[in-house]
Amino acid sequence: GQNIDQPTEMTATEGAIVQINCTYQTSGFNGLFWYQQHAGEAPTFLSYNVLDGLEEKGRFSSFLSRSKGYSYLLLKELQMKDSASYLCAVRRGSTLGRLYFGRGTQLTVWP
Amino acid sequence: ETGVTQTPRHLVMGMTNKKSLKCEQHLGHNAMYWYKQSAKKPLELMFVYNFKEQTENNSVPSRFSPECPNSSHLFLHLHTLQPEDSALYLCASRDRDSRADTQYFGPGTRLTVL
Repeated sequence: GQNIDQPTEMTATEGAIVQINCTYQTSGFNGLFWYQQHAGEAPTFLSYNVLDGLEEKGRFSSFLSRSKGYSYLLLKELQMKDSASYLCAVRRGSTLGRLYFGRGTQLTVWP
Repeated sequence: ETGVTQTPRHLVMGMTNKKSLKCEQHLGHNAMYWYKQSAKKPLELMFVYNFKEQTENNSVPSRFSPECPNSSHLFLHLHTLQPEDSALYLCASRDRDSRADTQYFGPGTRLTVL
């Protein structure tokens, strides 16, 4: 396994900011992905990091530290529709290489 | 909508049945994947196809048999399954033209084996 760890559940209120952490241990690291999955739906791509630093995309940002094996997904100005499972996935080797997923973090946003 | 479709969306089958799951994409992607998502477990890769050729089999039991007749279609043939095979089966295709070589997922087939 690739030892990808993320919290099981998180809660937050509308308008707030939430940070979902992901730690990993792997060889041949070649990128980290965040996906959002609403219940009964397909995982949808949110962000990708392969170099250290912050990638910002609207209300969502993702950070990577390769030396620490650590990433986080930051969600700002939370909305009810952001209630979903957030999946951290690490890619190994070539770009055809498989993705290794964490168990997902179930985020609930309260009014 | 990711452009990846899967049918059926729900399937209930007995252990002696034979059924097939279908995945289709017309996004021009050349790599397609089957994943299994069980409750409380991480998404687990099953098979990878690149340009219709199987490039990876993640030690999947032979009761699961994939088929990729062309780069737009992917099937998963099921026979003599076990109740523990009940899960959400997700298909994905890969966009090589994106910076991230991103995988895009279909909505999945919710499979129940009785």
